[in-house]
Amino acid sequence: EIVLTQSPGTLSLSPGERATLSCRASQRISSSYLAWYQQKPGQAPRLLIYGASSRATGVPDRFSGSGSGTDFTLTISGLEPEDFAVYYCQHYGSSPRYTFGQGTKLEIK
Amino acid sequence: QVQLVESGGGLVNPGGSLRLSCAASGFTFSGDYMSWIRQAPGKGLQWVSYISGGGTTIYYADSVKGRFTISRDNAMNSLFLQMNSLRAEDTAVYYCARDHCTNGVCYHDYWGQGTLVTVSS
Repeated sequence: EIVLTQSPGTLSLSPGERATLSCRASQRISSSYLAWYQQKPGQAPRLLIYGASSRATGVPDRFSGSGSGTDFTLTISGLEPEDFAVYYCQHYGSSPRYTFGQGTKLEIK
Repeated sequence: QVQLVESGGGLVNPGGSLRLSCAASGFTFSGDYMSWIRQAPGKGLQWVSYISGGGTTIYYADSVKGRFTISRDNAMNSLFLQMNSLRAEDTAVYYCARDHCTNGVCYHDYWGQGTLVTVSS
């Protein structure tokens, strides 16, 4: 079973700064199977990135994903007030079908 | 536009049962895989179950296997989750999500707003 570990648990930054969120897999995975989601308080999650680096429809280009093997990164360049939220990475696999990381909370400094 | 609306949540005693529904619109429901994902209060996301468009392929998380049953009615554009032998640790907001699958890879591209299930005496 793939385990995804996200770091840091909480990231405190100011608007305009660059955010770098990490997702590490317990074994090598195909980048095709890695997605990122954003969740704001009281809302359902929203798909941001699929295939490790492809932005979902309507996602601003300040969001970018990268990585391969076991290490993946979500970068938000030039934080906007609406970007402060919790971010989850997810792996699509065989058993279990989907695994989520524990999340990174991006908070305003 | 794609809409997913969950219903059926509520308060139930430990050992009890509950059936969740998800009404889908804005897409060809029978053509898409669908999932249930849950989130315990203040916790992260946990995938629960997934079903293929025709209902023939089904997967469950180990934590719910043998207790929960996913199903769908394509004529009614509806997804269901029958939850039996409920435990306190099943307390969560339950989301239904559409799974976009292409080239053997899937991800959840649309989510409902969720329905809260509370298991407590």
